[in-house]
Amino acid sequence: VQLVESGGGLVLPGRSLGLSCTASGFNFGDYPMSWVRQAPGKGLEWVGFIRTRANGGTTEHAASVKGRFTISRDDSKRIAYLQMNSLRTEDTAVYYCTRVVRYGSGSTLDSWGQGTLVTVSS
Amino acid sequence: DIQMTQSPSSLSASVGDRVTITCRASQSFSNYLNWYQQKPGKAPKLLIYSASTLQSGVPSRFSGSGSGTDFTLTISSLQPEDFATYSCQQSYSIPYTFGQGTNLEI
Repeated sequence: VQLVESGGGLVLPGRSLGLSCTASGFNFGDYPMSWVRQAPGKGLEWVGFIRTRANGGTTEHAASVKGRFTISRDDSKRIAYLQMNSLRTEDTAVYYCTRVVRYGSGSTLDSWGQGTLVTVSS
Repeated sequence: DIQMTQSPSSLSASVGDRVTITCRASQSFSNYLNWYQQKPGKAPKLLIYSASTLQSGVPSRFSGSGSGTDFTLTISSLQPEDFATYSCQQSYSIPYTFGQGTNLEI
């Protein structure tokens, strides 16, 4: 399993940025995918996830990003996306793409990308 | 939202020590609890899921227990490579919140 994020960088407050997560080594379409972020020197924060196409491909987002961030996926390209609009300085973080594995009624993040740094600053 | 509180926030220990980290949830949710290990500059790594199930490839000195609101991660005999930050996460209800992390130092 390999997950590789791309698209991070420096962006002005209020602007947009899109991240990509390219997956390999597993049947991408069979797994929900999630994004987790980590601000400098802080703990992990769950950003949201996208269900498989078989389960409607619907998404859930944390309240802190709802309405500004959108998770999507392209199973044919094996890519998960995180579109970030109206960025704020507090969105500065390393963003990780993760694979979601369900067990019973719970789930876990069993594989992580290396992360990509997003810096929101003027 | 379910709040996850870890204790302690930081911990100093020595190689060979037995260490226990606690994660307390603000509401009960059976065993939907994961533990991750993170080393500086690296992505987190899954250690334990479903409160007590060891992820494949994780050494048996790691163990997890608990249910309801109180969960523990135990390292039976610390090895040099175990010094890292450990975080818990609940997968019972959205948002799937993390604890603030426990920094395990030499």
